[in-house]
Amino acid sequence: EIVLTQSPGTLSLSPGDRATLSCRASQSVTRNYLVWYQLKPGQAPRLLIYDASTRAAGVPDRFSGSGSGTDFSLTISRLEPEDFAVYYCQQFGTSRPITFGQGTRLDTK
Amino acid sequence: EVKLSESGGGLVKPGGSLRLSCAASGFTLRSFAMSWVRQTPGKGLEWVSTINGGGDTTTYADSVKGRFTISRDNSKNTLELQMTSLRVDDTALYHCAKDPIPDMVRGDPYYFDFWGQGTLVSVSS
Repeated sequence: EIVLTQSPGTLSLSPGDRATLSCRASQSVTRNYLVWYQLKPGQAPRLLIYDASTRAAGVPDRFSGSGSGTDFSLTISRLEPEDFAVYYCQQFGTSRPITFGQGTRLDTK
Repeated sequence: EVKLSESGGGLVKPGGSLRLSCAASGFTLRSFAMSWVRQTPGKGLEWVSTINGGGDTTTYADSVKGRFTISRDNSKNTLELQMTSLRVDDTALYHCAKDPIPDMVRGDPYYFDFWGQGTLVSVSS
């Protein structure tokens, strides 16, 4: 089972700032099959990025994903008020079961 | 518009049972594998179970294997999760979630392009 470790646990920033969230895998993720989700209380989780760097439909271009192998990141170029949420990475490579990171909380400073 | 809406959560004692449902609309349910994923404040997100589009292949997390049963009724556009022998650590918000890639055969999850808001299951004496 691949363990995904997200850092930092909490990130405190202001609107307009740049946010960089990290997701590190305990072993290489097959074909960079890694995704990012955004979770807000009372809302359905939202798919942001799949295959490490492809934005899902309707996701603003301020969100970008990068990385390969064991090190991945999600960058939000200029934070909007609605971006403050919890973010999770998930891998779906050949190592099963699929696993999630423990999440990064993005808070308003 | 894809919509997933869960129901059936509630408070149950350890050892009890509960049946969750997910109503799906806006897409052809039988074409996609569907899953249950649970969310807790302490452990975050955890995949629970997946069923293929045809309904004849299922996979389960080790933590629920033998206690939970996933099923679907494509004619009614519904997904269900029968939970038995519930434990305190099954307490969570349970989401149904849709696989992004049409495949009636595969019962193993990839990732999830649409989720429901979830239904809360509390297991406590």
